Amino acid sequence: DTEVTQTPKHLVMGMTNKKSLKCEQHMGHRAMYWYKQKAKKPPELMFVYSYEKLSINESVPSRFSPECPNSSLLNLHLHALQPEDSALYLCASSQGGGYQPQHFGDGTRLSIL
Amino acid sequence: QKEVEQNSGPLSVPEGAIASLNCTYSDRGSQSFFWYRQYSGKSPELIMSIYSNGDKEDGRFTAQLNKASQYVSLLIRDSQPSDSATYLCAVNGNAGKSTFGDGTTLTVKP
Repeated sequence: DTEVTQTPKHLVMGMTNKKSLKCEQHMGHRAMYWYKQKAKKPPELMFVYSYEKLSINESVPSRFSPECPNSSLLNLHLHALQPEDSALYLCASSQGGGYQPQHFGDGTRLSIL
Repeated sequence: QKEVEQNSGPLSVPEGAIASLNCTYSDRGSQSFFWYRQYSGKSPELIMSIYSNGDKEDGRFTAQLNKASQYVSLLIRDSQPSDSATYLCAVNGNAGKSTFGDGTTLTVKP
């Protein structure tokens, strides 16, 4: 069992829908991450939260909106997505700082119709 | 030049052999280095971390780091079919984020 829990595991949505991906960790980690991964490609960093503040935004389109309500929770709000946004969305956490390894959740497989 | 490059795959080895995975990086300020294993359809799983020059062993896995050559490797001894996966090299620099290589797909044939 992974210590980073992501819900839902699968999500199918239309281009006009609004949905949210959720991530929770109980390891006391202070940094949390969102990645997007397409098939046969490495994870692509989207956002980093460090001590509940957004520290890195890799020029992600505004149709993706992250939120960190507290140190254990990370959300990714989705709105007006495009078919090319279909991918595996991974959440990860680390103890803090840039030099620690990351622990990944199982991911949410997102399909945009 | 990519920031993190891994040896092109796929890599195929017979069961019981040593699998050697290589990774080079361009940022000399990089401080920490990781190997993740990713099974098809699953998320990456951390298998090794290394922070200083030399070798680090954990069971059948050995990570090697040479900062002068900007090179990190992973050796898998006594390879098993269950080791068949994509191995991702990740390098962390001062920016506080991991940069991943494209991955090397390993197949261990029984």
